[in-house]
Amino acid sequence: DAGVIQSPRHEVTEMGQEVTLRCKPISGHNSLFWYRQTMMRGLELLIYFNNNVPIDDSGMPEDRFSAKMPNASFSTLKIQPSEPRDSAVYFCASSFGAGVAGGFYTQYFGPGTRLTVL
Amino acid sequence: DAKTTQPPSMDCAEGRAANLPCNHSTISGNEYVYWYRQIHSQGPQYIIHGLKNNETNEMASLIITEDRKSSTLILPHATLRDTAVYYCIVRPFSSGSARQLTFGSGTQLTVLP
Repeated sequence: DAGVIQSPRHEVTEMGQEVTLRCKPISGHNSLFWYRQTMMRGLELLIYFNNNVPIDDSGMPEDRFSAKMPNASFSTLKIQPSEPRDSAVYFCASSFGAGVAGGFYTQYFGPGTRLTVL
Repeated sequence: DAKTTQPPSMDCAEGRAANLPCNHSTISGNEYVYWYRQIHSQGPQYIIHGLKNNETNEMASLIITEDRKSSTLILPHATLRDTAVYYCIVRPFSSGSARQLTFGSGTQLTVLP
């Protein structure tokens, strides 16, 4: 298995521009998570999908952030407009969650997208 | 949530076993112990989890004390690539609460040549 795939790996953009991050979860996993990691705040959960449905988006910072999961093999996280404080590493993770012993927190992370907003 | 306590740092000689301890004295009966690690500039990596029995997989072994108040992650033959921050996390089985995977400060393991 190729693992969780994220693209792009690095993104440098200017303030005000739209940024779209992409994620392909592990085949067969039914839960997908978007995280953001910074030195100051550590790893933060932004949104969580189960069976392609957003379950908990309470971590999404503000309306500038949106996430979609149109099918079981693809998800996007969009920031519009981007701001310098959005600079971080964004991770996507997937798991085979509900009903599996311990499965929800057996999450497999992608390599991350390092976003720099100038 | 049960709180975990880990030493901030440990060294281990290459080829030797690395034993990383974790205290979780307030763990509840339905909570699992999970171990993750994060190698610099990479995404967190799931290692192993367990409830009350010892567990082993291709990466590591997890030893949980009988009272479940502490556990030890064992990397049987540490290599330089095992240098990372290791996180011990306690979380319930159920996904219904959509609890996030929060990492504490972890243990910085440095494998020395």
